[in-house]
Amino acid sequence: DTAVSQTPKYLVTQMGNDKSIKCEQNLGHDTMYWYKQDSKKFLKIMFSYNNKELIINETVPNRFSPKSPDKAHLNLHINSLELGDSAVYFCASSHTLAGRSYNEQFFGPGTRLTVL
Amino acid sequence: ILNVEQSPQSLHVQEGDSTNFTCSFPSSNFYALHWYRWETAKSPEALFVMTLNGDEKKKGRISATLNTKEGYSYLYIKGSQPEDSATYLCASRGISGNTPLVFGKGTRLSVIA
Repeated sequence: DTAVSQTPKYLVTQMGNDKSIKCEQNLGHDTMYWYKQDSKKFLKIMFSYNNKELIINETVPNRFSPKSPDKAHLNLHINSLELGDSAVYFCASSHTLAGRSYNEQFFGPGTRLTVL
Repeated sequence: ILNVEQSPQSLHVQEGDSTNFTCSFPSSNFYALHWYRWETAKSPEALFVMTLNGDEKKKGRISATLNTKEGYSYLYIKGSQPEDSATYLCASRGISGNTPLVFGKGTRLSVIA
């Protein structure tokens, strides 16, 4: 019955590798997000997709490429991983009303990425 | 980019005490203010979404107020319980285009039994 799920929960990998994190929501929401929790525990938006279209891209290196195969999924692919990519990544979803995401966001459990 | 500030950064209270914290946000082009509760090792859970100046929302012992003209919101917890221990995040969204939700750094509340 998990509303927003992410896999994997933990990811440990070497520098230079390419990895993906998957996110799925079963809430029927049309907007999905990726956030990065940085070393100071700050949640920062990375991407937002509405109906499979990218609507927010916040100065994220182009090594990060989100992909939304359908409204219920938003996956995050990271190329050439760097030490600074180590963080907890949260996926979230919400319902958009009249073109604006007004309602509360529902967060996934997070994926802790460690780059060695 | 909005700048959302929360104070205090952390707070310790005794069980049964009432407490409150502050969220400040730019008042111009304001669209919505969110409060989330974030327990350790879990994901943030929405408490309130507020849009109207003077709005007040309540959920059990927790309530929040909103002043969009001066750019602040207060979160109140009445009769704190140990299970209220968590980080409380506020986040604000501007009205221009597809602006993202900008989070503050949170107030970490510890309720001592």
